Amino acid sequence: DAKTTQPTSMDCAEGRAANLPCNHSTISGNEYVYWYRQIHSQGPQYIIHGLKNNETNEMASLIITEDRKSSTLILPHATLRDTAVYYCIVMSNTGKLIFGQGTTLQVKP
Amino acid sequence: NAGVTQTPKFRILKIGQSMTLQCTQDMNHNYMYWYRQDPGMGLKLIYYSVGAGITDKGEVPNGYNVSRSTTEDFPLRLELAAPSQTSVYFCASRPGRDNRANQPQHFGDGTRLSIL
Repeated sequence: DAKTTQPTSMDCAEGRAANLPCNHSTISGNEYVYWYRQIHSQGPQYIIHGLKNNETNEMASLIITEDRKSSTLILPHATLRDTAVYYCIVMSNTGKLIFGQGTTLQVKP
Repeated sequence: NAGVTQTPKFRILKIGQSMTLQCTQDMNHNYMYWYRQDPGMGLKLIYYSVGAGITDKGEVPNGYNVSRSTTEDFPLRLELAAPSQTSVYFCASRPGRDNRANQPQHFGDGTRLSIL
C-alpha cells in the first residue's frame, strides 16, 4: 500500500479556502486517494475520494495531479467547525486504510 | 438507518480482565474493520473481515480476537487486558462489492478503553 506525506499542521482564516496538500509518489494505477477528517476524538468522517479526475462534492474538492503523485483537498469556505485532523490515504483493492498522522487544520476567526 | 454502532462508549478494565467490544452495522456491508487509535497518532488496523465467517489480521492483532458469525456484527475480544491496550477503538464498514477500492469506509463513534 502506498504511503502518503502531509504537512503536520496548517492554519486558515475563517471564510477563506483551505488547501491541504498530500504527496503519494508511490501510488499505483488502481489505487484511490481518500480524504477523511477527525474532529476531536470522534470517528473519522469520510470527505471525498478519487482515482484520476478531479472530484467535487458538497463538502470539498479534490485535485489530483496528472501524474497522480500528489493531490490537494480544497475546503472552499472554511468555518471554525472545519478545525480537525485531515488524513490523506491511498486505498488499494485490499480495502485497507493505512492512516498516517495527518494534517491538523486550525481555522481561525 | 443507524450506520455503524459501537458499544460501550467508555469502559475501565483492570489488568487481566477480559471484555468484548461490540460493533454492529445496518447497511448490509460485507467488509468490516477494527482500528485502535493511541493519543496523537493515526488509526492502526487490528483485524478485518470480508464477510461472515471470514476474518484476517491487520497491522496490530496481538492480544485481540474477532469473530464474524453474521453480516451485521463484528465483535472484538480482549482476553487478558494489558495497560498497552488503553486506546480508543473504532469499528468501520464498507460495501465490499464490485470495485472494492471505490467504496469509502464508514466509522462508528468509538469505544474509549482504559486498562488500569
